[in-house]
Parts: sequence; structure tokens; C-alpha cells
Amino acid sequence: EAQVTQNPRYLITVTGKKLTVTCSQNMNHEYMSWYRQDPGLGLRQIYYSMNVEVTDKGDVPEGYKVSRKEKRNFPLILESPSPNQTSLYFCASSIDRVNNQPQHFGDGTRLSIL
Amino acid sequence: KQEVTQIPAALSVPEGENLVLNCSFTDSAIYNLQWFRQDPGKGLTSLLLIQSSQREQTSGRLNASLDKSSGRSTLYIAASQPGDSATYLCAVYSGYSTLTFGKGTMLLVSP
Repeated sequence: EAQVTQNPRYLITVTGKKLTVTCSQNMNHEYMSWYRQDPGLGLRQIYYSMNVEVTDKGDVPEGYKVSRKEKRNFPLILESPSPNQTSLYFCASSIDRVNNQPQHFGDGTRLSIL
Repeated sequence: KQEVTQIPAALSVPEGENLVLNCSFTDSAIYNLQWFRQDPGKGLTSLLLIQSSQREQTSGRLNASLDKSSGRSTLYIAASQPGDSATYLCAVYSGYSTLTFGKGTMLLVSP
């Protein structure tokens, strides 16, 4: 089954403790991205990747890192999480960098930073 | 900077009604527009994607139209059902590899 898988689905942690949210897709998609969703603000893009070893900032990249060492994986790293990063996070992928194809989303990761 | 607005923010209808959700965007230079559905606690499911050269797309009871010059799209849902209850999101792709999302319309269809 074609899917985007995020782990963990839920995480409660404390300020400053490094964490990684993994994202994996099994569709051989070139393009992957991370979004955060906040009440009243909607979905905002954090980082995206057009292909292996190619990443770029989205609208709200501060406090986040990403890497794309393999085509299928695109982890989101919070080196020193802060309470304002408490949010619902989504990973998405699509077939190519031109992005004229539908984006497929994971089920989301709810992060709470205390 | 592209901005996407969805009206109404929330909508409650009885089962069987036909309904229209609206999406507007400020920059008409788009490549495509996509409608998503989001269920509580779930990710987004792509419903329809309209390329900039197209006027509409249909899938089952859903029909999405695009008027690029006026910066508007509508999602028409025919014969609504309780299972259609969800939040519907509109997103436009304007290049630079990013989608700009609206804040969504929360739909409740009551039996």
C-alpha cells in the first residue's frame, strides 16, 4: 500500500531535549516536505526536499533541521525544542519536484514541548 | 506573497443537501490548486487537483472548479452524507516548491 509513515504519532517531551521525527515513503517520490499545523494559522511549510541531498527552507524553518540521505526518508530534527514548537506536524511527498501531482500526507505527529 | 482564504470557516447542513465551499487566492499565477479532506486526528487526503489550464475536475459526488483569472475555486459536494463531515482544505501551488494552504472549512453533515 502506498503510504507516508511518520513516527512517533505522539510525543510529550521537555524543553531542550533533542528529538527526531521520522518520515518514510514507499512510492519512490522525489519531493518531500514537512508542515506544521496550528489553530488559526493553518498549515505552514517548514522544509522541503526536491531529491536526495537537496533540501531548502520553507516558510517557518527556524528551530528545525532536516536531512535527505536516502530517497525514501526525510527526518525532521529539533535540536533544542521549545514550547512554541508544540504543534501537529505532517510529512508529505509527491512524485516530482515540479509538484504538479497530488501530495500524499502522513497521519501526523502531535508534539508537546513542556 | 500568496494568500489563500476559505469561506465559510464552518458549515452545518442536514444530510442530502448540495453545498459549495469557497476558496480564493491573491496571486493568480498558479500552477495548480488542490482540495484536501482532513479528518480529526488524521492526515490530509487529496480529493481533487486542478491544473492551471483546467476549469474543473470531478470525482464522484465532488466537483471542483477553478477560475484562475479571478483567483477563485469552488468545491461542490452533491447529496451530502454524514460521512462527508470533515475539514476541507484548499491549497495552491505557485512555484518555488511550496503549497500555500487556506485555513479550511469545517463541515458537519447531520443525519
